[in-house]
Amino acid sequence: GAVVSQHPSWVICKSGTSVKIECRSLDFQATTMFWYRQFPKQSLMLMATSNEGSKATYEQGVEKDKFLINHASLTLSTLTVTSAHPEDSSFYICSARNRVGQGSNEQYFGPGTRLTVT
Amino acid sequence: AQRVTQPEKLLSVFKGAPVELKCNYSYSGSPELFWYVQYSRQRLQLLLRHISRESIKGFTADLNKGETSFHLKKPFAQEEDSAMYYCALSAAGGGNKLTFGTGTQLKVEL
Repeated sequence: GAVVSQHPSWVICKSGTSVKIECRSLDFQATTMFWYRQFPKQSLMLMATSNEGSKATYEQGVEKDKFLINHASLTLSTLTVTSAHPEDSSFYICSARNRVGQGSNEQYFGPGTRLTVT
Repeated sequence: AQRVTQPEKLLSVFKGAPVELKCNYSYSGSPELFWYVQYSRQRLQLLLRHISRESIKGFTADLNKGETSFHLKKPFAQEEDSAMYYCALSAAGGGNKLTFGTGTQLKVEL
């Protein structure tokens, strides 16, 4: 149980285009999902917290107009990288918290999406 | 603001030797601490959390508030323990956000 999927697993796009990444909780409902960015051989950096039915909360330094987050249902959150540039190339990982486990802060992670902007 | 420090980027041990992966944190409140593991080509997964006080795959970790540490230990390393280990902290009232350390690559050699 508690499986999180991401689609696509990898994507290559041209500079200036937009890319959408999906994060789904497959067997549980998630009122909260998180989006992380991971550079090679570095730690995960939280970008934003995605809340179902409301606006995402972005971490300091993350451009909300560039990284659009939508959490339209209890099982799906999307991250859209708008007008992508080569410096946006990274590994994007989402995680989800099971709404049933209210007493736990455990997050379940997706496999990640490798974005390469040429 | 909270911070998690993992001083070792790489830890290499021989099979059967004890393992200790260090994690220190800074946070003024009462944190919840986790260890996550990432095996080669796999997703990040929870290994253990301090509130559970359990042993997973032979690993244990004790929260030491005096030393603000949450070191991960295993008495006898196995080859399958080779992976990337991340220590993470969740602050009380922080909306369940996790702050990760930079990770330690554990390599268990035969």
